[in-house]
Amino acid sequence: EPEVTQTPSHQVTQMGQEVILRCVPISNHLYFYWYRQILGQKVEFLVSFYNNEISEKSEIFDDQFSVERPDGSNFTLKIRSTKLEDSAMYFCASRLGQGDNQPQHFGDGTRLSIL
Amino acid sequence: SQQGEEDPQALSIQEGENATMNCSYKTSINNLQWYRQNSGRGLVHLILIRSNEREKHSGRLRVTLDTSKKSSSLLITASRAADTASYFCATFGGNYQLIWGAGTKLIIKP
Repeated sequence: EPEVTQTPSHQVTQMGQEVILRCVPISNHLYFYWYRQILGQKVEFLVSFYNNEISEKSEIFDDQFSVERPDGSNFTLKIRSTKLEDSAMYFCASRLGQGDNQPQHFGDGTRLSIL
Repeated sequence: SQQGEEDPQALSIQEGENATMNCSYKTSINNLQWYRQNSGRGLVHLILIRSNEREKHSGRLRVTLDTSKKSSSLLITASRAADTASYFCATFGGNYQLIWGAGTKLIIKP
């Protein structure tokens, strides 16, 4: 069964550095998402992406964050100047199409640790 | 806004027993979904129940939805050690982004 893959599985970065988290969504999916989960807290929506543009973003997704689909397969989340509070699990998800009966398929996440 | 608050926060039962987890939400919904998260892994979609459905089954899973009370429950029957995981309910936001509850951590003791 096709799956969403995320790399790296664990990223350790110094505060202030830039980090890029990578995702390969399921190939025929059209809608892409990033979520994060701070340790011990609930999953939080960051951003959704469709047709090469952001369709929705949360308050968390401020100017230090950006997303890109540089080619036909990758979907990346860039954090420009990382802060300690950016430490979390970051999950990528993709969805086949519109309609509220379409589930999102998740990758296993990237654990981001900011030192 | 917060949506989908689960209770209990943690549940520990013996293998073979049934596990029931509850979820409450605040705004009107078209559907509600349940996901499982094994430790250190991603979120796996379990079941979706539409707002016009009251109950749905999938294998050992039974989900109910009460839109008048804005609540849902997930029942896992005849639990197994492999069911040990965190379970989350989620609803759709305006652009089909998922809005998550805090989750129930389920531990099945052998």
